[in-house]
Amino acid sequence: SQQGEEDPQALSIQEGENATMNCSYKTSINNLQWYRQNSGRGLVHLILIRSNEREKHSGRLRVTLDTSKKSSSLLITASRAADTASYFCATDGSSNTGKLIFGQGTTLQVKP
Amino acid sequence: DAGVIQSPRHEVTEMGQEVTLRCKPISGHNSLFWYRQTMMRGLELLIYFNNNVPIDDSGMPEDRFSAKMPNASFSTLKIQPSEPRDSAVYFCASSLGARQGTGGYTFGSGTRLTVV
Repeated sequence: SQQGEEDPQALSIQEGENATMNCSYKTSINNLQWYRQNSGRGLVHLILIRSNEREKHSGRLRVTLDTSKKSSSLLITASRAADTASYFCATDGSSNTGKLIFGQGTTLQVKP
Repeated sequence: DAGVIQSPRHEVTEMGQEVTLRCKPISGHNSLFWYRQTMMRGLELLIYFNNNVPIDDSGMPEDRFSAKMPNASFSTLKIQPSEPRDSAVYFCASSLGARQGTGGYTFGSGTRLTVV
């Protein structure tokens, strides 16, 4: 079964707006990761946040993690048309094996 | 580094035929993962290897699926015989291993398999 569930399933915004995607998971974790997938391509790792971290930034990306609620959010600020892609969260389920389980993803469309 | 290399990029085959997908992980990565992606099921982990040893193959759907990693630089996923429901995009990914620091997986571009 999928560990992560993203919300919303699809999001459409105008260029320059902020995009927020949410992820909920079921079991305890060591870390949570976000990936981007452009149409027809493989997934690209964006950011990793450890279970003892609450917030992390990378460029225009901001990730938060609330382990008490078993949820995470990905915020993309000042979106660009090139940000159009599917975004996935993935968790390791505290397995210490490096095995990641991915959610179903959020499809983001940024209109120019 | 050229990244994770998968071949072929596209494969169209007839039902009942054997299909072999290939993957070359990033040099120095000691974990390798095979995923399958479909619209209905999303990304499913099929099997993964640590240091060339299969660790968990519980995601392999049936005995028709098998995977090998004869050395650190090569892995194959074989489907024999193939069925139309195997049609999907198959991704290979590699990582530095179980206890990851700041990195994550590096994915290949995938093999789009169509079984007719």
